[in-house]
Amino acid sequence: AQSVTQLDSQVPVFEEAPVELRCNYSSSVSVYLFWYVQYPNQGLQLLLKYLSGSTLVESINGFEAEFNKSQTSFHLRKPSVHISDTAEYFCAGRGTSYGKLTFGQGTILTVHP
Amino acid sequence: ETGVTQSPTHLIKTRGQQVTLRCSSQSGHNTVSWYQQALGQGPQFIFQYYREEENGRGNFPPRFSGLQFPNYSSELNVNALELDDSALYLCASSYGTGNYGYTFGSGTRLTVV
Repeated sequence: AQSVTQLDSQVPVFEEAPVELRCNYSSSVSVYLFWYVQYPNQGLQLLLKYLSGSTLVESINGFEAEFNKSQTSFHLRKPSVHISDTAEYFCAGRGTSYGKLTFGQGTILTVHP
Repeated sequence: ETGVTQSPTHLIKTRGQQVTLRCSSQSGHNTVSWYQQALGQGPQFIFQYYREEENGRGNFPPRFSGLQFPNYSSELNVNALELDDSALYLCASSYGTGNYGYTFGSGTRLTVV
């Protein structure tokens, strides 16, 4: 069965500290991988995606994720977080031809001043 | 770029009733997917429509049905509502099979009492 696992349900961190949100996937969803961010009472916003090519992908707001096939991981990192990064983050994979996304359970990132 | 719009934003229904949720896809997108996000969970795939035909379905009963119209807008219909149907319903549009990502709407919060 396809699965995406986010290893931490909550990650508290202080402002300007680095952060890593962990995501592992089953091989059946490894075709395309995504990170989405959800702010309170809002829908999902695409943060970054891995489709092919370079295993390191970056977003415009400083996040990056690395596709690691041997460890079946797609961890999200940011070297220095801001208060505004407080949100819930979802890792998702797509492995079927008709485009179904399989989501992880989400990680709530809380940035403290 | 118009984005994905959903209506209504909030809805309260009584158990046993029927509900219709609406979604207007992003301009140029011909594929629409619907997801159910229960409180504290990641989104779960309900089904997907491509060029007005359902081409993928998740583990949801037949009382969850949908339509996609020639202008690529879409409806999600749920019959015989149950308390467990209370959730945020998200619509996502994409071009083709979503290789370039999915654009999500802000969702409809459905409460069944």
